[in-house]
Amino acid sequence: AQTVTQSQPEMSVQEAETVTLSCTYDTSESDYYLFWYKQPPSRQMILVIRQEAYKQQNATENRFSVNFQKAAKSFSLKISDSQLGDAAMYFCAYSDYGGATNKLIFGTGTLLAVQP
Amino acid sequence: DGGITQSPKYLFRKEGQNVTLSCEQNLNHDAMYWYRQDPGQGLRLIYYSQIVNDFQKGDIAEGYSVSREKKESFPLTVTSAQKNPTAFYLCASRLTLGIGELFFGEGSRLTVL
Repeated sequence: AQTVTQSQPEMSVQEAETVTLSCTYDTSESDYYLFWYKQPPSRQMILVIRQEAYKQQNATENRFSVNFQKAAKSFSLKISDSQLGDAAMYFCAYSDYGGATNKLIFGTGTLLAVQP
Repeated sequence: DGGITQSPKYLFRKEGQNVTLSCEQNLNHDAMYWYRQDPGQGLRLIYYSQIVNDFQKGDIAEGYSVSREKKESFPLTVTSAQKNPTAFYLCASRLTLGIGELFFGEGSRLTVL
């Protein structure tokens, strides 16, 4: 069965600095998605970034980028120029591509604090 | 605006009562999901539905029931058989089977008194 592991329960970063959140996963599939979701205090889950496994290029969205290492099954999120609004719980998630189970599997999350 | 609406946002229930959480989407998505969130455990899948009149159990379906009579709606009933129902419940939708990301509602907080 697929699993997602986030080994950093909490992280802290100074405003305007860069922080990297770690995620590893386990799967025997070759086609899949990986996601980072943000959950601010409002508790609504917001998609930060998405990566398709068949794409070699790392996804980027403004200040957010990923380091996708398929062989190592690693998917880290880098937040550049951190802002106070980035403070939230961040979840890494995995999904088979077109899989019969049709579900996302989530890690346990990393709580990010941003210090002014 | 397109999105997912969950109601109520907060709900209190006495032990032994069934409660129903509403989830409506106007994104024209085929697939809909219910997740449960507990502190330190991430999100766990309760039920999901790929099309109208069809749904599948997730990892923690015991004590829950769902229906999918309309494409837009996927209500979740928390029955009295659910032993530990106090949690945050998130509804989500996806364009279609296994494609793309999930879009989430704002969640419902259920507290059993």
